[in-house]
Amino acid sequence: TQLLEQSPQFLSIQEGENLTVYCNSSSVFSSLQWYRQEPGEGPVLLVTVVTGGEVKKLKRLTFQFGDARKDSSLHITAAQPGDTGLYLCAGIIQGAQKLVFGQGTRLTINP
Amino acid sequence: DTGVSQDPRHKITKRGQNVTFRCDPISEHNRLYWYRQTLGQGPEFLTYFQNEAQLEKSRLLSDRFSAERPKGSFSTLEIQRTEQGDSAMYLCASSLAIGSNTGELFFGEGSRLTVL
Repeated sequence: TQLLEQSPQFLSIQEGENLTVYCNSSSVFSSLQWYRQEPGEGPVLLVTVVTGGEVKKLKRLTFQFGDARKDSSLHITAAQPGDTGLYLCAGIIQGAQKLVFGQGTRLTINP
Repeated sequence: DTGVSQDPRHKITKRGQNVTFRCDPISEHNRLYWYRQTLGQGPEFLTYFQNEAQLEKSRLLSDRFSAERPKGSFSTLEIQRTEQGDSAMYLCASSLAIGSNTGELFFGEGSRLTVL
């Protein structure tokens, strides 16, 4: 059973389009993180959200933490080929200490 | 470079052999995590240490797997009698935990294991 469900698992779109990736759970998280991973490398942290309803922006990327702290989304505006990669959401369940990951969304941006 | 480093980056071994991976965390980080990642999947938690104490182990960590962090600095992950199903990327991460706050994890580049 996956604690964090990401959707879609695969997404291939054209350069310039917008997209949203979702991360959902039935558990409450004390914090949630988004990572990007390139082939053969470890995940690299993009953002951490800790407050329900929090929105953070990183250039063309917008991250939102759900009000109930059970879900999150990543929105990319005007996607570019350099955005191609595996996007992972990960969270720390309230009261726990370990970070659990979703299965990832493999994003391909075609020129 | 003061990031998390893992060694070796790649290991090819025959079924039944033992392998050991090493992780050197960021020096001031007190927490160290091991994850396993197979192709197309997210990382799966294996175990974590706070200083030298191993605080949690996943049920994924069978008795063939053992991890140590003897002096609260570097860590080793040993797999005995490897099986083909052990083929995966083994990721190490470290964080600075303050009180109940786990802190942000910083990952190494991983050690890729191929069992023939």
